This record gives sequence, structure tokens and C-alpha cells, in this order.
Amino acid sequence: DTGVSQDPRHKITKRGQNVTFRCDPISEHNRLYWYRQTLGQGPEFLTYFQNEAQLEKSRLLSDRFSAERPKGSFSTLEIQRTEQGDSAMYLCASSSQGGKAGANVLTFGAGSRLTVL
Amino acid sequence: AQSVSQHNHHVILSEAASLELGCNYSYGGTVNLFWYVQYPGQHLQLLLKYFSGDPLVKGIKGFEAEFIKSKFSFNLRKPSVQWSDTAEYFCAVRERMNTGFQKLVFGTGTRLLVSP
Repeated sequence: DTGVSQDPRHKITKRGQNVTFRCDPISEHNRLYWYRQTLGQGPEFLTYFQNEAQLEKSRLLSDRFSAERPKGSFSTLEIQRTEQGDSAMYLCASSSQGGKAGANVLTFGAGSRLTVL
Repeated sequence: AQSVSQHNHHVILSEAASLELGCNYSYGGTVNLFWYVQYPGQHLQLLLKYFSGDPLVKGIKGFEAEFIKSKFSFNLRKPSVQWSDTAEYFCAVRERMNTGFQKLVFGTGTRLLVSP
């Protein structure tokens, strides 16, 4: 499969625990994005990487959230001290840079669904 | 900040009926517009996009959308829906931030149910 892979697909945790999600983008894509989607809403932007550099972060990304892309390939999104309000689908997307066919078009993964009890 | 309105939250159609889903964005200038679809249990997939040129854009599976700049609209259409079109449809606009980063802003989605 050459699409965007996310792991785990589902995570149930107790309030206060830490969780980490992983995203493997399409291999030739240098741009990676994290979005969050709650019930009845469209995806909301969280953060953006170009290669290994985190270039943009949303105000939605509180200090309990941290994202990394250490080698410019896969990325992790960690949520510390989870709260019930963190329950959502966490979506990863990737894209290539301008100049190529399909550039700047986001390809999404299936998402990681988080339930905080 | 840019926002996207999808006025129809739920649409129920019979097979072979025509479909039009509304999408309006909040302000103009140069915009890139997208429709994504999410079939039950699957990930978001691109249906079609508009960057420039012909305002009538054709996408996959017989879908098309028309960009009307004066109305800030990008409505999705299909002349005859099939049961397999049952899905959630999201309109999105790309917004350029002050940093130069271009963020994709989504609407709240429209759930389409097509009855056989």
C-alpha cells in the first residue's frame, strides 16, 4: 500500500494517560499535516511539517500536544495528560511540493480514533 | 480567517436523482477549492479541485463542481446518484496565512444517503 498509514487505528485510554500516534506519509511527499476531526465537524488543522521542520502550529495545539518528524519521514503526535475533550479522530495527510502533478493536494490517511474515558 | 459553509448537513435521495451540494467560502481573492469524500469506514479522498481556469471542474465518479466567484460558491453536482455515492462530502478552501503557509479549511460536511 503506497498511501498514508496511521497507527493505531483506535485507541481507548483513561483520562490523564499519554498517547502517541504515528503517521507514515507517502514516501515521496515532503509535506506532512495533522488534522483533528470531531463528530459532526470537518477536519481542523493542527500542525504542518516540511521535511523535518515543524513550520506551522494551530492555536488548537495546546502545550499537551507535541508533534515530531525527526528524519523527515514518519511523524508522531503525542498527547500528554489526555482529557475527555481530546476524544476525536486524528488525521494525517501528506503532499508533495509545487511543480509536480498532484502537488499541493493533500492525501489523507484513515485516521487514529482516540477515545478518552 | 477563511471559513466554509455547507448548508445541507444531511441529504437523502433516491437512486437516479440529481444531486447538488452547496458550498460557500467567506472571502475572495485567489482561492483553491476542493471537494473531498469519505465513504463509510474509509479515509478522505479527493473528488475534485479547482485552482484556476475553467470554472466547471470535472472529478471522479461523474461528479462536477462549478466555481462562481461572484457568489463565493463551489457547489458539487452529479446528474444521477447511485447507492454507492452514500458518503460524507466535505468542501474545503485553501487559505494563505501571514506566514505564507497555505492551510486547508474544511466545511462541516454533508452526509448523503442514497436509497436504492
